[in-house]
Parts: sequence; C-alpha cells; structure tokens
Amino acid sequence: EVQLLESGGGLVQPGGSLRLSCAASGFTFSSYAMSWVRQAPGKGLEWVSAISGSGGSTYYADSVKGRFTISRDNSKNTLYLQMNSLRAEDTAVYYCAKLPYYDSSGTGEFDYWGQGTLVTVSS
Amino acid sequence: EIVMTQSPATLSVSPGERATLSCRASQSVSSNLAWYQQKPGQAPRLLIYGASTRATGIPARFSGSGSGTEFTLTISSLQSEDFAVYYCQQYNNWPPGFGGGTKVEIK
Repeated sequence: EVQLLESGGGLVQPGGSLRLSCAASGFTFSSYAMSWVRQAPGKGLEWVSAISGSGGSTYYADSVKGRFTISRDNSKNTLYLQMNSLRAEDTAVYYCAKLPYYDSSGTGEFDYWGQGTLVTVSS
Repeated sequence: EIVMTQSPATLSVSPGERATLSCRASQSVSSNLAWYQQKPGQAPRLLIYGASTRATGIPARFSGSGSGTEFTLTISSLQSEDFAVYYCQQYNNWPPGFGGGTKVEIK
C-alpha cells in the first residue's frame, strides 16, 4: 500500500524558513517523480514543485521560484521542500504527491497524495 | 499558462440522481486531463486520468469524457459518500494547473 506522510509544518514569521519532509513507503520511491501541491485555507489546489525520480531534474511554480527548493533522498525514501523567505501568501496545507512516471518534465497527474502538513506564515 | 475553468461552482443534487460537472481549458490539453475528489479535511483522491480512464479502485458510477478544451465528469447515481469537492487538472503543458473546483452538495 502506497503511503505518503508529510511533516515539518508549523507557524513561522514572514521572512522565515521551514523544511517539509514526506516519508514514502509501499512503492519503489526512486522510480517515480514526486511533487508538492498546496492549498490555501478555503481555496483550491496549486502546484508548487516537482522532481524527477533521480532528483536530477526539478521544476518550480513562478510563485515560489528562487525561494523554495525541492530535493529527495532515495536512500531514505524521503522527499523534501526547503522553504525560505516565506510570505503570508504561502500559508497553506502542503501535500506531497506521487506521479506515475520517472520524469514527468514537471507535469503529470498525481496518483497518490499524503494527508498534508499545515504551514502558517504570520507574525 | 493554461487556465482551467470549472462549472458550476456548486451543484445541488439528490442522492440517487445523476451529476454532471464541466471543465474547460483555455487551450487544448488533448486528453491530458485528470479529475480529483476531495472531502473536508482529507487529501484529494485521483478519480480519472487521461480524461476517461478510472483510477484504481474507483467505482464505475464515475465516468469522464471529452478532449481538447471541453471535459465532463459524470456521477451516474450519487451516493452519500460522493458529496465532496471535485477538481479537474490539466497536465498537457507545464505548469500543471487545476480548476477552481465544483462542490457537489446534498439537495
């Protein structure tokens, strides 16, 4: 059974940093691209970032480019999102999601999702 | 960037009735269109990919159709567990983008 478990969310001040983690199990982690998708309170879904199975290719939404960094450790079956220079508009539940491809060129459908971790940016 | 528009924003349906949800893309996305279901406090769940292929474990009452710019999700006979928000998503072009969602509520 595929499982994705996010952690690392919390309250952070504007301009601060946070690192999210997503522990994966139930599939060969290194064989699949992964992504982060966020959802602001009461709003819709927004794609944030994606990474290929090897970690060699990364993709970012314009809204986070230069501030967020996606990475993965295939030896630990874990996906990360380093978030710097956080803004109030980054407040959201952050989901990690699996794609059914090794390298999706930054796009694709999301066949499994974690339960999400809440990031609140506020002073 | 491709804009995805869903209609209606809210759909009121009685249990057992048919629900038809629409999704329009601002330019052609071929058949690279997915549908997700999200219940309150839960993560989205993939229902349909490739515009018309049901994901693993999805009941046959869910069906998708369309190609190009116009797509439809049909729930043939609504069950109590189907009341939720539904999102479409294009993945033909980068960046992948979602529609604003359709809330299916009990009439």
